[in-house]
Amino acid sequence: ETGVTQTPRHLVMGMTNKKSLKCEQHLGHNAMYWYKQSAKKPLELMFVYNFKEQTENNSVPSRFSPECPNSSHLFLHLHTLQPEDSALYLCASSPRDRESETQYFGPGTRLLVL
Amino acid sequence: GNSVTQMEGPVTLSEEAFLTINCTYTATGYPSLFWYVQYPGEGLQLLLKATKADDKGSNKGFEATYRKETTSFHLEKGSVQVSDSAVYFCALMFSGGYNKLIFGAGTRLAVHP
Repeated sequence: ETGVTQTPRHLVMGMTNKKSLKCEQHLGHNAMYWYKQSAKKPLELMFVYNFKEQTENNSVPSRFSPECPNSSHLFLHLHTLQPEDSALYLCASSPRDRESETQYFGPGTRLLVL
Repeated sequence: GNSVTQMEGPVTLSEEAFLTINCTYTATGYPSLFWYVQYPGEGLQLLLKATKADDKGSNKGFEATYRKETTSFHLEKGSVQVSDSAVYFCALMFSGGYNKLIFGAGTRLAVHP
């Protein structure tokens, strides 16, 4: 499989549930990103990881917890979410995080919080 | 601060019409500029980019020129197809710092036969 993959593609969860989103990149990149795409806001960067180290946390609430065990995998652990967290969550990767390099996006996980 | 402003959509065109989607930016310094496209049900795909003033990015018949004097990066295509129907995002990024893309709100394009 090539490119950036995300699972699941769709997720419905209650406010008390705990779930995780998974992202995997097959491009040999070293930087990975989580973005949030809401219906009424521009795409928002949430987290950046470079060589497995978090280099950016864009003031994201602690109910979102990222994990990057290696350069190919990125997780977003979700707990005690709110309905306003319903959105499309996009993962991306790039060769490194400190150059103006193209980011390659996955198809996203569409999350609905009830 | 740094920001990107795009024309509001939706933009509705007939097949073979000329397309322009306006994009202007506000930035301190000289960012790289990008157009990404999002087809229904999919993630974002890079359409084209330009890294310095007067550069022209092009791909699949789409073009955009980096205009420093007007701080613009308008997307154009001479003859659109139904398959071009998608949401188009303009974005900027600075080199030498964190690889952080700042996106515009997106412009939805609908092309009818």
